Amino acid sequence: GQNIDQPTEMTATEGAIVQINCTYQTSGFNGLFWYQQHAGEAPTFLSYNVLDGLEEKGRFSSFLSRSKGYSYLLLKELQMKDSASYLCAVTEYGNKLVFGAGTILRVKS
Amino acid sequence: DAGITQSPRHKVTETGTPVTLRCHQTENHRYMYWYRQDPGHGLRLIHYSYGVKDTDKGEVSDGYSVSRSKTEDFLLTLESATSSQTSVYFCATSGYRLAGEVVTGDEQYFGPGTRLTVT
Repeated sequence: GQNIDQPTEMTATEGAIVQINCTYQTSGFNGLFWYQQHAGEAPTFLSYNVLDGLEEKGRFSSFLSRSKGYSYLLLKELQMKDSASYLCAVTEYGNKLVFGAGTILRVKS
Repeated sequence: DAGITQSPRHKVTETGTPVTLRCHQTENHRYMYWYRQDPGHGLRLIHYSYGVKDTDKGEVSDGYSVSRSKTEDFLLTLESATSSQTSVYFCATSGYRLAGEVVTGDEQYFGPGTRLTVT
């Protein structure tokens, strides 16, 4: 079977750092994606990890441990515009993605 | 961003009627996907295509069919719409690339979505 778990909601303060965790159990693994989705809009690509370690892209970083089935998305210097849903997705095989239910992040001033 | 459009953007239809949603891309991407998004479930794959006339089922394919007669268009048909198919439908596309020594898929680009209400 396939199972991807993320916290349902998180709240953080503007300017702070927040870490959104994702654990997965899938029958295959070809990489892990993070997407951002603002309310009423389409998901947009944030990051991709296929090997263990940290990938940094500006204020956003993503970490992967394949042996633990674990990833996190780290957002630094939070801004109000970062309020959105963050979706973790795993490529089992080929190009098929399996998505978690998403984490709603609320940034407060 | 990939040039992906969906039509219609909003539709209200009655139970039992057929509905077709269209996805059009201008990026010449090989892969195309249809997802539905519902509260508490995230994005779930309905059908996908890995080339012209090559399609396969996803996680929630019952009650849906697809067709891809050319690279740029991917159609999703609800054969007889039911209230349980009320949802937001997203189309996505992707290419294919090498990442180091690992052959893997590229990121998926999403269309703007279609909000479908079945009454």
